[in-house]
Amino acid sequence: GNSVTQMEGPVTLSEEAFLTINCTYTATGYPSLFWYVQYPGEGLQLLLKATKADDKGSNKGFEATYRKETTSFHLEKGSVQVSDSAVYFCALIPTGGGNKLTFGTGTQLKVEL
Amino acid sequence: KAGVTQTPRYLIKTRGQQVTLSCSPISGHRSVSWYQQTPGQGLQFLFEYFSETQRNKGNFPGRFSGRQFSNSRSEMNVSTLELGDSALYLCASSSLTTGGTEAFFGQGTRLTVV
Repeated sequence: GNSVTQMEGPVTLSEEAFLTINCTYTATGYPSLFWYVQYPGEGLQLLLKATKADDKGSNKGFEATYRKETTSFHLEKGSVQVSDSAVYFCALIPTGGGNKLTFGTGTQLKVEL
Repeated sequence: KAGVTQTPRYLIKTRGQQVTLSCSPISGHRSVSWYQQTPGQGLQFLFEYFSETQRNKGNFPGRFSGRQFSNSRSEMNVSTLELGDSALYLCASSSLTTGGTEAFFGQGTRLTVV
């Protein structure tokens, strides 16, 4: 079946540090890949997405590249801020999967001054 | 443009009772999906409705059911509540019929079963 594996948290960084959150997936064909972010007490917000191999999704300084050969979609940001503290979820929709998202377990990010 | 609205935001129910949660999607969105979020199991897909028809269903018991109305508003119902049903229930709406589009999430309904 389809699955998403992402690194365990929490990840604690100092402000302006470089961020990487690893995400790998298992799915047949060419799924669409997403990163969602959840702030405390809120629902999920789409951060970025990529729908085909080698696509790079980017938003608010965050980037992720769809790597078919390594089945990965790692999230990166060059300089994190305290306001980036949240839980980040990697997710996929398989080919022909309607709008059924399969999520990873989430990675909590804490950014300190 | 109003976002996805879920009501109520918080709910406390007793074991054995039933509960109905409501979701109003973004205007014009015809796809509504429901997810359960718990600390132990994470985010799990419950079901998806499109144009009043259930299109996808997750691996949940039959106590969990849903429906969608002609105005795309959706409800989910949980009967014979168990303590393990305590969770944040999230609704998401989407505008297109195929994967790759953005799902907009509501703030969720926090259900506590005592």
